[in-house]
Amino acid sequence: AQTVTQSQPEMSVQEAETVTLSCTYDTSENNYYLFWYKQPPSRQMILVIRQEAYKQQNATENRFSVNFQKAAKSFSLKISDSQLGDTAMYFCAFMKQIDFGNEKLTFGTGTRLTIIP
Amino acid sequence: DSGVTQTPKHLITATGQRVTLRCSPRSGDLSVYWYQQSLDQGLQFLIHYYNGEERAKGNILERFSAQQFPDLHSELNLSSLELGDSALYFCASSVQGARETQYFGPGTRLLVL
Repeated sequence: AQTVTQSQPEMSVQEAETVTLSCTYDTSENNYYLFWYKQPPSRQMILVIRQEAYKQQNATENRFSVNFQKAAKSFSLKISDSQLGDTAMYFCAFMKQIDFGNEKLTFGTGTRLTIIP
Repeated sequence: DSGVTQTPKHLITATGQRVTLRCSPRSGDLSVYWYQQSLDQGLQFLIHYYNGEERAKGNILERFSAQQFPDLHSELNLSSLELGDSALYFCASSVQGARETQYFGPGTRLLVL
């Protein structure tokens, strides 16, 4: 079974600074997908970024980028020029790449990020 | 807005009761997933339907059941409710399943008193 670990329960950073959220995972699979989801106070789950394990290039989405280290099974999220709207709970998630069957997301416990004005 | 809709937004009920949560996937999505988010268990996968058929079950209690209808909307039925069933229930959808990103609805907050 896959496990996802987020070792930072809470973090805070000043507005406009850069922050990195950590995520490690454990799997015997070679092909899989990794995601970061954001859950603001509204409780909506919003996709931030996605990484395919077979791609060596790290994914980026505007101010959000990842550092994917497959051998180390590490998948960190970097938020540059942080904004007040980035205040949220951030979840790292894993999904196996298989044919139809069990395409569930396995989530970490989350990191609560607070951006300080 | 993800395009996934869930009703109702909030639900307050008593122990022993039965409730139905409804989910409409994004237009064109064939897969629907249900997740439960609780304080003690975190986010957990419950069940996955693809084009009307059950594909996978996770940590879903026997008191819970789900189905996906021909118009692709899905319902999650929770019966004999207990205090511990209080949680936020999410529905997510994707185009097919494997290799697809799941987009989440706004959730239904269930409070069992």
